[in-house]
Amino acid sequence: DADVTQTPRNRITKTGKRIMLECSQTKGHDRMYWYRQDPGLGLRLIYYSFDVKDINKGEISDGYSVSRQAQAKFSLSLESAIPNQTALYFCATAGTSGRASTGELFFGEGSRLTVL
Amino acid sequence: QKEVEQNSGPLSVPEGAIASLNCTYSDRGSQSFFWYRQYSGKSPELIMFIYSNGDKEDGRFTAQLNKASQYVSLLIRDSQPSDSATYLCAVNTGTALIFGKGTTLSVSS
Repeated sequence: DADVTQTPRNRITKTGKRIMLECSQTKGHDRMYWYRQDPGLGLRLIYYSFDVKDINKGEISDGYSVSRQAQAKFSLSLESAIPNQTALYFCATAGTSGRASTGELFFGEGSRLTVL
Repeated sequence: QKEVEQNSGPLSVPEGAIASLNCTYSDRGSQSFFWYRQYSGKSPELIMFIYSNGDKEDGRFTAQLNKASQYVSLLIRDSQPSDSATYLCAVNTGTALIFGKGTTLSVSS
């Protein structure tokens, strides 16, 4: 089983619908992240969380919200999806001790979202 | 705004050649730097990280860091067709990794 699991892996929805992407991890990491990837634009940070009570906006948080339900779970919501939110979304984790303290990210397999 | 710049490519090299990938960053306070490889539709996978000036070698890969010039590079020796992918440079801001847009490498056999 993957250490960082994202569900759903693929989702097609319509404009205006509410969508939740879920992420769970078994790595025991405190830090969790949501990134968005569009063709030719690399990975852009949406939100990040250092623990259950610490949630921070990234560079492109507008139109998104998050919930850190537990140390191991971090969900991304689109309250009213629009077509330009069509993208590949990645959840990632990072540790804070040993080699993990370098900031290395461990990625989930991605969730491909299409908004029609 | 903290930025990471990479040439988008595509960079095309023949099999067995050296591929050179470059990256510059704007935040002089950045401490650690990463190269990830990403195949189409897949998640990024770590190739190397570096945090000291100079070279760091791992098999066919060498990362080079010059903090004074705010420049990071990745050399791939004896390039193989399986190295064909997008290479993402990332910089640790202290709270998150900021990524460049990636360089697409194509290795022809």
